[in-house]
Amino acid sequence: AQKVTQAQTEISVVEKEDVTLDCVYETRDTTYYLFWYKQPPSGELVFLIRRNSFDEQNEISGRYSWNFQKSTSSFNFTITASQVVDSAVYFCALSEAGAQKLVFGQGTRLTINP
Amino acid sequence: KAGVTQTPRYLIKTRGQQVTLSCSPISGHRSVSWYQQTPGQGLQFLFEYFSETQRNKGNFPGRFSGRQFSNSRSEMNVSTLELGDSALYLCASSLGTVLHTEAFFGQGTRLTVV
Repeated sequence: AQKVTQAQTEISVVEKEDVTLDCVYETRDTTYYLFWYKQPPSGELVFLIRRNSFDEQNEISGRYSWNFQKSTSSFNFTITASQVVDSAVYFCALSEAGAQKLVFGQGTRLTINP
Repeated sequence: KAGVTQTPRYLIKTRGQQVTLSCSPISGHRSVSWYQQTPGQGLQFLFEYFSETQRNKGNFPGRFSGRQFSNSRSEMNVSTLELGDSALYLCASSLGTVLHTEAFFGQGTRLTVV
Protein backbone atom coordinates (compact mmCIF):
# COMPACT_ATOMS: atom_id res chain seq x y z
CA ALA A 1 0.00 0.00 0.00
CA GLN A 2 1.10 3.51 -0.68
CA LYS A 3 1.53 6.01 2.08
CA VAL A 4 2.97 9.50 2.43
CA THR A 5 3.91 10.93 5.81
CA GLN A 6 4.54 14.58 6.52
CA ALA A 7 5.36 14.52 10.20
CA GLN A 8 5.50 18.29 10.58
CA THR A 9 1.96 19.56 10.96
CA GLU A 10 2.89 23.21 11.36
CA ILE A 11 6.10 25.19 11.02
CA SER A 12 6.52 28.85 11.86
CA VAL A 13 9.70 30.77 11.05
CA VAL A 14 10.81 34.34 10.68
CA GLU A 15 11.29 35.76 7.22
CA LYS A 16 14.68 35.05 5.59
CA GLU A 17 15.20 31.86 7.56
CA ASP A 18 15.73 28.60 5.69
CA VAL A 19 13.10 25.94 6.26
CA THR A 20 12.91 22.25 5.32
CA LEU A 21 9.67 20.34 4.93
CA ASP A 22 9.99 16.60 5.41
CA CYS A 23 8.26 13.91 3.37
CA VAL A 24 8.61 10.15 3.81
CA TYR A 25 6.84 7.72 1.52
CA GLU A 26 6.04 4.02 1.33
CA THR A 27 5.45 2.02 -1.83
CA ARG A 28 6.14 -1.48 -3.08
CA ASP A 29 6.56 -0.36 -6.67
CA THR A 30 9.96 0.25 -8.21
CA THR A 31 8.49 2.83 -10.57
CA TYR A 32 6.71 5.70 -8.92
CA TYR A 33 6.41 9.47 -9.04
CA LEU A 34 6.73 12.05 -6.29
CA PHE A 35 5.25 15.54 -6.25
CA TRP A 36 5.11 18.65 -4.14
CA TYR A 37 2.14 20.99 -4.23
CA LYS A 38 1.49 24.33 -2.51
CA GLN A 39 -1.99 25.29 -1.35
CA PRO A 40 -2.45 29.01 -0.65
CA PRO A 41 -5.59 30.26 1.16
CA SER A 42 -7.44 30.46 -2.17
CA GLY A 43 -7.58 26.66 -2.12
CA GLU A 44 -6.03 25.80 -5.46
CA LEU A 45 -3.19 23.28 -5.37
CA VAL A 46 -0.19 24.72 -7.18
CA PHE A 47 2.24 22.25 -8.74
CA LEU A 48 5.87 22.72 -7.65
CA ILE A 49 7.83 19.66 -8.76
CA ARG A 50 7.57 16.12 -10.10
CA ARG A 51 10.26 13.50 -9.71
CA ASN A 52 10.30 9.90 -10.95
CA SER A 53 11.84 7.07 -8.96
CA PHE A 54 14.75 6.65 -11.37
CA ASP A 55 15.93 10.22 -11.04
CA GLU A 56 17.62 10.83 -7.72
CA GLN A 57 19.26 14.08 -8.74
CA ASN A 58 18.51 16.93 -6.42
CA GLU A 59 16.86 19.92 -7.99
CA ILE A 60 17.10 23.61 -7.34
CA SER A 61 14.68 26.20 -8.65
CA GLY A 62 15.37 29.66 -7.37
CA ARG A 63 14.90 29.62 -3.60
CA TYR A 64 13.39 26.12 -3.71
CA SER A 65 15.34 22.87 -3.62
CA TRP A 66 14.40 19.24 -3.30
CA ASN A 67 16.39 16.33 -1.91
CA PHE A 68 15.26 12.88 -3.07
CA GLN A 69 16.84 9.90 -1.26
CA LYS A 70 15.54 6.46 -2.17
CA SER A 71 17.64 4.84 0.57
CA THR A 72 15.54 6.58 3.21
CA SER A 73 12.33 6.92 1.11
CA SER A 74 12.38 10.65 1.59
CA PHE A 75 11.69 13.61 -0.66
CA ASN A 76 12.36 16.74 1.36
CA PHE A 77 11.73 20.31 0.28
CA THR A 78 13.81 23.29 1.36
CA ILE A 79 12.97 26.95 1.00
CA THR A 80 15.98 29.21 1.30
CA ALA A 81 15.61 32.78 2.55
CA SER A 82 11.89 32.35 3.15
CA GLN A 83 9.45 35.12 2.35
CA VAL A 84 5.99 35.94 3.69
CA VAL A 85 4.50 34.91 0.33
CA ASP A 86 5.75 31.37 0.96
CA SER A 87 3.14 30.98 3.69
CA ALA A 88 0.81 28.17 2.64
CA VAL A 89 0.06 24.51 3.20
CA TYR A 90 2.51 22.25 1.38
CA PHE A 91 1.63 18.74 0.29
CA CYS A 92 3.87 15.90 -0.74
CA ALA A 93 2.24 13.25 -2.96
CA LEU A 94 3.01 9.90 -4.54
CA SER A 95 1.62 8.09 -7.56
CA GLU A 96 2.49 4.60 -8.71
CA ALA A 97 3.00 3.52 -12.28
CA GLY A 98 -0.21 2.54 -13.99
CA ALA A 99 -2.49 4.53 -11.70
CA GLN A 100 -3.21 8.20 -12.28
CA LYS A 101 -3.95 8.66 -8.63
CA LEU A 102 -2.16 10.88 -6.15
CA VAL A 103 -1.76 9.79 -2.55
CA PHE A 104 -1.17 12.88 -0.45
CA GLY A 105 0.47 13.43 2.89
CA GLN A 106 -1.44 15.33 5.55
CA GLY A 107 0.27 18.57 4.62
CA THR A 108 2.53 20.99 6.48
CA ARG A 109 1.21 24.45 7.26
CA LEU A 110 4.09 26.87 6.84
CA THR A 111 3.85 30.36 8.30
CA ILE A 112 6.51 32.91 7.52
CA ASN A 113 6.41 35.83 9.92
CA PRO A 114 7.75 39.25 8.94
CA LYS B 1 -3.77 28.99 -21.71
CA ALA B 2 -6.82 28.74 -19.47
CA GLY B 3 -6.47 26.74 -16.28
CA VAL B 4 -8.80 24.20 -14.74
CA THR B 5 -12.23 25.67 -14.11
CA GLN B 6 -14.57 24.34 -11.48
CA THR B 7 -18.15 25.46 -11.00
CA PRO B 8 -19.77 26.43 -8.81
CA ARG B 9 -17.22 27.73 -6.29
CA TYR B 10 -19.57 27.42 -3.34
CA LEU B 11 -22.64 25.33 -2.65
CA ILE B 12 -24.94 24.88 0.32
CA LYS B 13 -27.17 21.83 0.26
CA THR B 14 -29.48 20.07 2.68
CA ARG B 15 -29.01 16.51 3.90
CA GLY B 16 -30.61 14.02 1.54
CA GLN B 17 -30.31 16.22 -1.52
CA GLN B 18 -28.03 15.52 -4.43
CA VAL B 19 -25.43 17.76 -6.03
CA THR B 20 -23.52 17.97 -9.31
CA LEU B 21 -20.13 19.61 -9.60
CA SER B 22 -18.49 20.52 -12.88
CA CYS B 23 -14.87 20.62 -14.03
CA SER B 24 -13.43 21.91 -17.30
CA PRO B 25 -9.85 20.72 -17.78
CA ILE B 26 -6.98 22.45 -19.50
CA SER B 27 -7.31 22.26 -23.26
CA GLY B 28 -5.65 19.10 -24.58
CA HIS B 29 -5.78 17.29 -21.25
CA ARG B 30 -7.72 14.04 -21.39
CA SER B 31 -7.46 12.94 -17.78
CA VAL B 32 -9.64 14.44 -15.07
CA SER B 33 -9.37 13.38 -11.44
CA TRP B 34 -11.47 14.34 -8.45
CA TYR B 35 -10.33 14.70 -4.85
CA GLN B 36 -12.12 15.41 -1.60
CA GLN B 37 -10.38 17.55 1.01
CA THR B 38 -11.56 17.63 4.62
CA PRO B 39 -9.79 18.75 7.80
CA GLY B 40 -10.01 15.25 9.25
CA GLN B 41 -9.17 13.03 6.30
CA GLY B 42 -7.04 15.37 4.25
CA LEU B 43 -6.91 14.98 0.48
CA GLN B 44 -8.46 11.76 -0.76
CA PHE B 45 -8.75 10.47 -4.31
CA LEU B 46 -12.28 9.91 -5.58
CA PHE B 47 -11.89 8.80 -9.19
CA GLU B 48 -10.15 9.48 -12.49
CA TYR B 49 -11.62 9.65 -15.96
CA PHE B 50 -9.75 9.35 -19.22
CA SER B 51 -11.39 9.51 -22.64
CA GLU B 52 -14.86 9.20 -21.10
CA THR B 53 -13.95 6.04 -19.13
CA GLN B 54 -13.42 5.70 -15.42
CA ARG B 55 -9.87 4.46 -15.17
CA ASN B 56 -9.24 4.57 -11.42
CA LYS B 57 -11.47 4.69 -8.39
CA GLY B 58 -10.90 5.49 -4.73
CA ASN B 59 -12.60 4.09 -1.65
CA PHE B 60 -15.80 6.07 -1.59
CA PRO B 61 -19.38 4.81 -1.43
CA GLY B 62 -21.51 4.47 -4.52
CA ARG B 63 -23.24 7.76 -3.70
CA PHE B 64 -20.24 9.39 -5.32
CA SER B 65 -20.22 9.05 -9.08
CA GLY B 66 -18.81 10.87 -12.04
CA ARG B 67 -18.66 11.03 -15.77
CA GLN B 68 -16.63 12.59 -18.53
CA PHE B 69 -17.84 14.00 -21.78
CA SER B 70 -16.27 13.83 -25.22
CA ASN B 71 -14.75 17.31 -24.74
CA SER B 72 -13.04 16.02 -21.55
CA ARG B 73 -15.24 18.10 -19.26
CA SER B 74 -16.22 16.14 -16.20
CA GLU B 75 -18.98 16.15 -13.64
CA MET B 76 -19.21 14.47 -10.30
CA ASN B 77 -22.44 13.74 -8.53
CA VAL B 78 -23.12 13.05 -4.88
CA SER B 79 -26.52 11.66 -4.04
CA THR B 80 -28.28 11.48 -0.68
CA LEU B 81 -25.95 14.03 0.85
CA GLU B 82 -24.70 13.52 4.40
CA LEU B 83 -23.22 16.08 6.77
CA GLY B 84 -19.86 14.37 6.39
CA ASP B 85 -19.82 15.17 2.67
CA SER B 86 -19.07 18.80 3.52
CA ALA B 87 -15.67 19.36 1.97
CA LEU B 88 -13.61 21.11 -0.66
CA TYR B 89 -13.86 19.11 -3.88
CA LEU B 90 -10.88 19.56 -6.15
CA CYS B 91 -10.60 18.63 -9.77
CA ALA B 92 -7.27 18.01 -11.49
CA SER B 93 -6.45 17.69 -15.15
CA SER B 94 -3.43 16.12 -16.78
CA LEU B 95 -2.34 14.60 -20.04
CA GLY B 96 -2.96 11.23 -18.46
CA THR B 97 -0.03 9.47 -20.07
CA VAL B 98 2.12 6.72 -18.56
CA LEU B 99 4.73 9.34 -17.75
CA HIS B 100 2.51 10.65 -14.97
CA THR B 101 2.90 14.25 -15.96
CA GLU B 102 1.90 16.76 -13.35
CA ALA B 103 -1.75 17.35 -12.54
CA PHE B 104 -3.08 20.89 -12.49
CA PHE B 105 -5.82 21.68 -10.02
CA GLY B 106 -8.79 23.97 -10.09
CA GLN B 107 -9.76 26.24 -7.20
CA GLY B 108 -12.29 23.74 -5.99
CA THR B 109 -15.95 23.70 -5.07
CA ARG B 110 -16.65 24.16 -1.39
CA LEU B 111 -19.72 22.10 -0.51
CA THR B 112 -21.51 22.63 2.77
CA VAL B 113 -24.22 20.19 3.78
CA VAL B 114 -26.63 21.40 6.46
